[in-house]
Amino acid sequence: QVQLVESGGGVVQPGRSLRLSCAASGFTFNGSAMHWVRQAPGMGLEWVTVTSYDGTHIHYAESVKGRFIVSTDNSKNILYLHMNSLRPEDTAVYYCARDFSSPDLWGQGTLVTVSS
Amino acid sequence: DIQMTQSPSTLSASVGDRVTITCRATQSFSDWLAWYQQKPGKAPKLLIYKASTLQSGVPSRFSGSGSGTEFTLTISSLQPDDFATYYCHQYSTYLWTFGQGTKVEVK
Repeated sequence: QVQLVESGGGVVQPGRSLRLSCAASGFTFNGSAMHWVRQAPGMGLEWVTVTSYDGTHIHYAESVKGRFIVSTDNSKNILYLHMNSLRPEDTAVYYCARDFSSPDLWGQGTLVTVSS
Repeated sequence: DIQMTQSPSTLSASVGDRVTITCRATQSFSDWLAWYQQKPGKAPKLLIYKASTLQSGVPSRFSGSGSGTEFTLTISSLQPDDFATYYCHQYSTYLWTFGQGTKVEVK
């Protein structure tokens, strides 16, 4: 079954770090770019970061640049989001999504709450 | 970055109505435009990609049109399951951007 499954969310204090995972099954990352998109409570969709399958193209939203790092383990088909120096405004559901000629596959999301 | 402006932000409609949502971009980008439906607590569901191509399994009452900077999502006859929030999404570059969303509510 072709799917993406996120994990790693939870409650974290401001200033701390958290790592999210996105496990892909039924396909490989080859030829796909992989994105993280987030949605704060009651708000719209906000693009966070992207990595090409070979890591040669990586981009970040200004709101997370310098704090978040995206990476992949292509041998395990896992996408990661390393989130450092977390702020209350990073509270959101984080989705991973595949970009393979169209953004056709999204995970179910994992909730990150940044609160003291 | 390409900014997307979606309108209206809220739309009140009845079952059977024809509904149209518009998305305008600050730059032209051909037809790399998708539309999603989202219900509370759920991930966005892809309805349309490449501006007008219906995703497999999506009812034919949904259609998309446009290119360049102006795009439209139309629901030809609104059904009870269609009350939700809809987003447009440009994916012409690695730096994705989304419209602000249109909530379709019961009139």
